[in-house]
Amino acid sequence: GEDVEQSLFLSVREGDSSVINCTYTDSSSTYLYWYKQEPGAGLQLLTYIFSNMDMKQDQRLTVLLNKKDKHLSLRIADTQTGDSAIYFCAERGQGNLIFGKGTKLSVKP
Amino acid sequence: NAGVMQNPRHLVRRRGQEARLRCSPMKGHSHVYWYRQLPEEGLKFMVYLQKENIIDESGMPKERFSAEFPKEGPSILRIQQVVRGDSAAYFCASSPPRQGAYEQYFGPGTRLTVT
Repeated sequence: GEDVEQSLFLSVREGDSSVINCTYTDSSSTYLYWYKQEPGAGLQLLTYIFSNMDMKQDQRLTVLLNKKDKHLSLRIADTQTGDSAIYFCAERGQGNLIFGKGTKLSVKP
Repeated sequence: NAGVMQNPRHLVRRRGQEARLRCSPMKGHSHVYWYRQLPEEGLKFMVYLQKENIIDESGMPKERFSAEFPKEGPSILRIQQVVRGDSAAYFCASSPPRQGAYEQYFGPGTRLTVT
């Protein structure tokens, strides 16, 4: 079946890099996504990666995909207090998205 | 270009009442998805619609829940005879009518509380 797993919490100091990890099970997934959710808000699409890529960089964000291990990571460089949020990994199902439970990132000043 | 709009943002219903949640997709988007988020959980897919068609309702509970996306107007998620377990945040997302990444853009959600 389809399942997406993430660690639940990550705490970093302001200015450090954050790495949020995710594993998925559906090897036929064509696209994988990272979303950010701030308290009481909807989900903001941060970035996505096509399954034939192994890396994508967008400003402070770097996505790494290891298709063999079905492992996806999101690296945030120079993490700021404004990056504190819940980060969701998602894989594309038949048309819908399948989400992990989210990683709560806490950034300490 | 306005984003995905949902209303109401907060909805309180007593057990047994009906809840109607509305979603207006982004301009130019013809695909709408509904997801439910329980406290401390990720989002779970409920239903995928295009104008006047339900494409995939595999995540919808078999009873009390229905969804539509009429030719004119917003998409509606309707929950009849609500129970306490229906309390959750309901998110709508939309995507453009093309192949590719099918990136979905989310609305701010409707937080339903059943008392």
